Amino acid sequence: GEDVEQSLFLSVREGDSSVINCTYTDSSSTYLYWYKQEPGAGLQLLTYIFSNMDMKQDQRLTVLLNKKDKHLSLRIADTQTGDSAIYFCAERRSGGSYIPTFGRGTSLIVHP
Amino acid sequence: DVKVTQSSRYLVKRTGEKVFLECVQDMDHENMFWYRQDPGLGLRLIYFSYDVKMKEKGDIPEGYSVSREKKERFSLILESASTNQTSMYLCASLSGGQAKNIQYFGAGTRLSVL
Repeated sequence: GEDVEQSLFLSVREGDSSVINCTYTDSSSTYLYWYKQEPGAGLQLLTYIFSNMDMKQDQRLTVLLNKKDKHLSLRIADTQTGDSAIYFCAERRSGGSYIPTFGRGTSLIVHP
Repeated sequence: DVKVTQSSRYLVKRTGEKVFLECVQDMDHENMFWYRQDPGLGLRLIYFSYDVKMKEKGDIPEGYSVSREKKERFSLILESASTNQTSMYLCASLSGGQAKNIQYFGAGTRLSVL
């Protein structure tokens, strides 16, 4: 199986909360990231969490990390049409390569 | 702010042509990367470079080469373009000195090979 897995699509209504999930396989991962890619653009770092944290909140964004289950989630409160994008989960493992491993990305579609 | 600039947003080339994709970063980062992005496949690493004149193969290097003559510039070369190289190409840079290892991406070059 893949190192980092995400579902490919998520559709939500404007104003609702969105939850994008990600599972990873390497328990030694040190940093986990969420990148956002708007249509026709490159990826931009949205937020990251260090592996010794369980939660990180930044305005409408909440990141939850469950190390036991190797599960990462991104919650977007009060989702807006401008949040429509592809969201990539990525992990950086301890030691070895410094290159992050990306999931395939989740396309978030926000409809009125 | 870190800026990663890809020289072209859109390119249309013919099969067999030699194609150069250019990328420049302005933050003195040691590491630079080339990815291709295809629907449903996410990002796949083609090549990366951790220093001037140094290069390493990524997951899908076949049909590509790279050049890094200066620290700020990383070029991707398609020696003889083929239709299966039609894709979105993303360049990224990363500072080697930070533990967080945040990659900064360019806006992408959408290449069509006819």
